[in-house]
Amino acid sequence: GAVVSQHPSWVICKSGTSVKIECRSLDFQATTMFWYRQFPKQSLMLMATSNEGSKATYEQGVEKDKFLINHASLTLSTLTVTSAHPEDSSFYICSAPSPGPRGGELFFGEGSRLTVL
Amino acid sequence: AQSVTQLGSHVSVSEGALVLLRCNYSSSVPPYLFWYVQYPNQGLQLLLKYTTGATLVKGINGFEAEFKKSETSFHLTKPSAHMSDAAEYFCAVSVGFQKLVFGTGTRLLVSP
Repeated sequence: GAVVSQHPSWVICKSGTSVKIECRSLDFQATTMFWYRQFPKQSLMLMATSNEGSKATYEQGVEKDKFLINHASLTLSTLTVTSAHPEDSSFYICSAPSPGPRGGELFFGEGSRLTVL
Repeated sequence: AQSVTQLGSHVSVSEGALVLLRCNYSSSVPPYLFWYVQYPNQGLQLLLKYTTGATLVKGINGFEAEFKKSETSFHLTKPSAHMSDAAEYFCAVSVGFQKLVFGTGTRLLVSP
C-alpha cells in the first residue's frame, strides 16, 4: 500500500548548522505534503503545507526563513532547518494525502528526530 | 475554528480490560474525525475515521469509535486491552482539505 518515508530518522548537529529532512511518497504522487513538529510528550503542530511547484504555506508563528520547504517533485518534499539551535530540537513528521477522495487517509512518515547540540 | 480535546493525558488499564479514550470536538461544520496511534519514535498510523454515514466506526486492531453529535464526542474503545496496545493515541479533526488539528494525545498504559 501507499507509504510515506522520511530520511534521516535521527540526526544530531551542531548549533548554527543546517539540516535537511526528506519526505518521500512511495508508489503514489503527492502534490501536497504536510510538515508537523512534535515536542516531547506533546501533540503534533502543523508547521506548513508543502505544494508541488509552488511556495509552501506556513502556519502562523512558523518562521519561513528558518524552516525552508521545497517540494521539487510529485514524490519528494524537503524541510531544511537553517542555522539550527537547541530549541529547534524536536521530532519532525511529514504526511501526504492518500490518492483517494476528500476525507481520505493521511499517510505519515516515520518521523525524524533532530537534536541540536 | 475546529479543535479537539482529549481528556486524560494518561489512561492505565489491565490486560483484558475495557479501553476508553475520550475525545470531544468543536467544529462549525460537519466534522471529519480521526483516531491515530503512535508507537515510540514512529510516525502515526490511522486507527479509524468518521466522515459521513454510520456513526459507529470500526478500525484496526479491534478498536472502534462512535460519533455522537449531541455530545460532540468521538470516544475510542476496545473491549479487551492487549499489551501491544500500549502507545500514544491522538484524536484529530479535519480543518480543511486533508489538514488536521490534533488533540494533545493520551498515553495508554497496559499492565499484565
